Amino acid sequence: DTGVSQDPRHKITKRGQNVTFRCDPISEHNRLYWYRQTLGQGPEFLTYFQNEAQLEKSRLLSDRFSAERPKGSFSTLEIQRTEQGDSAMYLCASPRGRLAGVDEQFFGPGTRLTVL
Amino acid sequence: AQTVTQSQPEMSVQEAETVTLSCTYDTSESDYYLFWYKQPPSRQMILVIRQEAYKQQNATENRFSVNFQKAAKSFSLKISDSQLGDAAMYFCASQGGSEKLVFGKGTKLTVNP
Repeated sequence: DTGVSQDPRHKITKRGQNVTFRCDPISEHNRLYWYRQTLGQGPEFLTYFQNEAQLEKSRLLSDRFSAERPKGSFSTLEIQRTEQGDSAMYLCASPRGRLAGVDEQFFGPGTRLTVL
Repeated sequence: AQTVTQSQPEMSVQEAETVTLSCTYDTSESDYYLFWYKQPPSRQMILVIRQEAYKQQNATENRFSVNFQKAAKSFSLKISDSQLGDAAMYFCASQGGSEKLVFGKGTKLTVNP
């Protein structure tokens, strides 16, 4: 267990529905990353927070995606009007260090989304 | 832009033997870091080993070691004395100034008893 938790672990939804995922990083980690992992691929970067500020967003993050990190603690990732192509594992990660720079990222168990 | 390529979708090794997983990368950054992450089935991704590009000495962590060839942009992982618990997906990743990780497609390692 890395100390990073995600909820729910699995989500099955119908196309067109909205879904929201939650990530709770290790409490003293002020940076938080979201990645998406599709079958047979490595994780791909979606977005990054330092405290409550969203500092970078990938092109993969279409207008239907929104992420928040109120108060710089947990983070939520919402997908509106889900499409079958959104089916993937959504991973959250937080680095140990409090300063910007390279550090080991601790990953959560992920939320597996299936869009029917 | 950074890219990471893992050319071996699957590898297998006998228990107690040694296996090497390949990774090549490309980056325009002068300062970068390289990682191998392990993702066991239905379990969380964990860091295996990291290498700072400015260091010439290859990183080692117990049974895990890397062969970092900076000029060739190659970063392979060697697992010695393979154990059943080493069975997992292994991802090579790079990280530059933007801090986000760029992953390869992964190599599925099977350890045969």
